Amino acid sequence: DIQMTQSPSSLSASVGDRVTITCRASQNIGNYLNWYQQKPGKAPKLLIYAASSLQSGVPSRFSGSGSGTDFTLTISRLQPEDFATYSCQQSYSPPYTFGRGTKLEIK
Amino acid sequence: EEQLLESGGGLVQPGGSLRLSCAASGFTFSSYAMSWVRQAPGKGLEWVSAITGGDAHTYYADSVKGRFTISRDMSKNTLHLQMNSLRAEDTAVYYCAKDRSLNAFDIWGQGTMVTVSS
Repeated sequence: DIQMTQSPSSLSASVGDRVTITCRASQNIGNYLNWYQQKPGKAPKLLIYAASSLQSGVPSRFSGSGSGTDFTLTISRLQPEDFATYSCQQSYSPPYTFGRGTKLEIK
Repeated sequence: EEQLLESGGGLVQPGGSLRLSCAASGFTFSSYAMSWVRQAPGKGLEWVSAITGGDAHTYYADSVKGRFTISRDMSKNTLHLQMNSLRAEDTAVYYCAKDRSLNAFDIWGQGTMVTVSS
C-alpha cells in the first residue's frame, strides 16, 4: 500500500498569513494527489485534484503543486473560514490512502 | 444540485451486521465510480471501498476485505455497503462519496455513524 506522510500535524497561523502543508508519498504517484478541507462535524470538501487543479467553487487563494512523491498545499492569505483540518489523498492505486491530516488553528 | 444521503448506521454488537445505503440525486449515478470513506472518532479519513461506474469493479481496503461488500442499485440510484463480522475498530462515521474522475471525491454525504459495541 502507498503510505502518505503529511506535515506538520498541526499549525498555528494568523489571518492574512501564507501557509504551506506538505504531503509525501511512499512511492511515485505521478500527479494523482488530492487535497481536502474538513471542519468539525462536517464532511470533507475537495479543494485540489490532480495535484494542482482547483476544484470548482474553491477560492483561488488555495493552490497545489508537486508531482512524483512530494506535494504541497498553499493558502496564500488565510481567511477566518480557512481554519480547519486539511488532508491529502493519493488516487494512484487502491487503497486510496489519506494522510493523517494537518489541523490549522488560529494563532 | 448533486447530493448524497446516507442511512443505515446505528449501534451493533461485535460480530453483527449492518447495511448502509447512500441515495444519490442530481447527477447521472451510473456514470460515476463511488466510494465509502470512514472516520473513527478523533481520527483521520480512511478509504474503505470503491465501485466503478460501468462495469461495477469493486475494491476494498485490507482492513475490511472479506467482511464488507459494496454494491450499487442503478434503478434506485443507491449505493450500499454490507458490513458483516463487525469489530470495535469499525466504529466510525461512514461517508459515501462521488468520484469526479481520477479517484478524487467531489461530492460527499453527511455521514452515518456506526458504533460496534457490546
